[in-house]
Amino acid sequence: EPEVTQTPSHQVTQMGQEVILRCVPISNHLYFYWYRQILGQKVEFLVSFYNNEISEKSEIFDDQFSVERPDGSNFTLKIRSTKLEDSAMYFCASTDHLAEKLFFGSGTQLSVL
Amino acid sequence: QQQVKQSPQSLIVQKGGISIINCAYENTAFDYFPWYQQFPGKGPALLIAIRPDVSEKKEGRFTISFNKSAKQFSLHIMDSQPGDSATYFCAPSGTYKYIFGTGTRLKVLA
Repeated sequence: EPEVTQTPSHQVTQMGQEVILRCVPISNHLYFYWYRQILGQKVEFLVSFYNNEISEKSEIFDDQFSVERPDGSNFTLKIRSTKLEDSAMYFCASTDHLAEKLFFGSGTQLSVL
Repeated sequence: QQQVKQSPQSLIVQKGGISIINCAYENTAFDYFPWYQQFPGKGPALLIAIRPDVSEKKEGRFTISFNKSAKQFSLHIMDSQPGDSATYFCAPSGTYKYIFGTGTRLKVLA
């Protein structure tokens, strides 16, 4: 089965630093998402992306966050100035035009010190 | 965000027993009702899903029951196995937005 690939698997950064989390969605998918999960708890929606623009974002996705699909294959999440509370597992997901099954990557564990 | 509530938060079942997890939602625009299974250190993976035109769907040991008027749907795991021990999330969706429930940690005792 095709996979969503996320890199790195772990990222440690200092508070106030910028981080970029990278994802390669499944090649024929059209809708892309970032979610985050703190310590195995609720999976929280951050942002959805379609046709090279944000289609929806949550309250969590403030001005410190941005997403980009720079080259038609990668999908990135940037956190401009990380805070301690940004520490979480970040999941990228994608789905096709039917928008039914969400395919998730294995996640990037972000630790902000 | 739209409210999606799951119950129970955690569940312990003996091997061979039935596990039942419930999901209640508010948004009547949802038109796709999936359950995701997540193992530690992994992303959620689709387990089973239903569209609102049917009230029940069965795939192997897993069954979804859907009650449109009550705005609820449930996951039944028959003959629960230790390998089913995981966290389960409902994630009703509509217009390409998926809202995950609060999660249920299932532990199946051998």
